[in-house]
Amino acid sequence: DSGVTQTPKHLITATGQRVTLRCSPRSGDLSVYWYQQSLDQGLQFLIQYYNGEERAKGNILERFSAQQFPDLHSELNLSSLELGDSALYFCASSAGLAGIQETQYFGPGTRLLVL
Amino acid sequence: GQQVMQIPQYQHVQEGEDFTTYCNSSTTLSNIQWYKQRPGGHPVFLIQLVKSGEVKKQKRLTFQFGEAKKNSSLHITATQTTDVGTYFCAGPRSGGSNYKLTFGKGTLLTVNP
Repeated sequence: DSGVTQTPKHLITATGQRVTLRCSPRSGDLSVYWYQQSLDQGLQFLIQYYNGEERAKGNILERFSAQQFPDLHSELNLSSLELGDSALYFCASSAGLAGIQETQYFGPGTRLLVL
Repeated sequence: GQQVMQIPQYQHVQEGEDFTTYCNSSTTLSNIQWYKQRPGGHPVFLIQLVKSGEVKKQKRLTFQFGEAKKNSSLHITATQTTDVGTYFCAGPRSGGSNYKLTFGKGTLLTVNP
């Protein structure tokens, strides 16, 4: 158990819909990262937040957005869903120390299926 | 953009055989991390290498970082069924954001008991 929690574990929805994935980081961690894992693309970095502020952006679509709240939990919002958005979405957290590469602790993931 | 390639994509071995996966980056890496993901699980951090030519060992696992800091390898001696999973390397681009990890697509290891 990494200490990172994600809800829900599974999500089935239809094309065009909007969903929200939730992540709670490890106690004391200030940084939260979101990743998308699909069979053909592997593990893709989407976005990172540090203490409520966006810190780094990866291959995140404009239909996707995220935020980190004052209690440090984070939400990833996916809208106008397409079949190709079906994937595993992982959240990871780290302490958030500046200037060094930190270990990232991954949550169990949310499996999204768009029908 | 930065690319991190891993080979092989799949490797099936008999229990007791050795296994090696290789990671190559299109750009110099300031450091490299290795993660393991069991089937149905999430990536779990194994190790981080920072120095050019660095070698680290964890029991039967040996990790190497190339002299040019553009490649790395993970070698498992005498594989066991518990080694089954996908092994990923990941690294930030040297001089770039330390927070933006680029992952390889991983090597899926299966072990026949």
